[in-house]
Amino acid sequence: AQSVTQLDSHVSVSEGTPVLLRCNYSSSYSPSLFWYVQHPNKGLQLLLKYTSAATLVKGINGFEAEFKKSETSFHLTKPSAHMSDAAEYFCVVSDLTGANNLFFGTGTRLTVIP
Amino acid sequence: DTEVTQTPKHLVMGMTNKKSLKCEQHMGHRAMYWYKQKAKKPPELMFVYSYEKLSINESVPSRFSPECPNSSLLNLHLHALQPEDSALYLCASSQRTGTETYEQYFGPGTRLTVT
Repeated sequence: AQSVTQLDSHVSVSEGTPVLLRCNYSSSYSPSLFWYVQHPNKGLQLLLKYTSAATLVKGINGFEAEFKKSETSFHLTKPSAHMSDAAEYFCVVSDLTGANNLFFGTGTRLTVIP
Repeated sequence: DTEVTQTPKHLVMGMTNKKSLKCEQHMGHRAMYWYKQKAKKPPELMFVYSYEKLSINESVPSRFSPECPNSSLLNLHLHALQPEDSALYLCASSQRTGTETYEQYFGPGTRLTVT
């Protein structure tokens, strides 16, 4: 069975400082993993995805994530936070049994302090 | 163009009303999804359509009735809803379903309030 655990429900950083949002996954086989972002009252936007190619994945808006099989982690990072990064972030694992179901983490709310 | 559109943006309905939510994509995707999202929670899958056929119904009450008239359009018909059905309803699409991973593209959602 697939699942993800987002280790922090809320992260607060100052503008210009690094961002780290943590995610651990559980999967019966080699997983496909995603990070989505949701700004208030908006839909979800795909930031990046990992599908067993390079373990360091670069996404949009300067975000990247590293797949670490030994640690079953897929943490999201950004070197320098912008005010516009304030949003809810979801780590997601995909079902590979054929249905393409997504299993969402509970989300991390990122606050950026000016 | 990776856009999924949803109408209306907001909907307020009484418990005896019948209304419909609409979702459209023109990316040539053959899989479409409905999700329900309560405040401060992740989205929950409701239905999956694959090649215009319903492939997954996640034990959703019959007061929610999905319809996929063609490969670009997905509707969600609502009837006799309860106040606890108030939520953000998200539509998504992907190239297809299958044993490969296809990312899902989400629409902006319809904010539904049941009074």
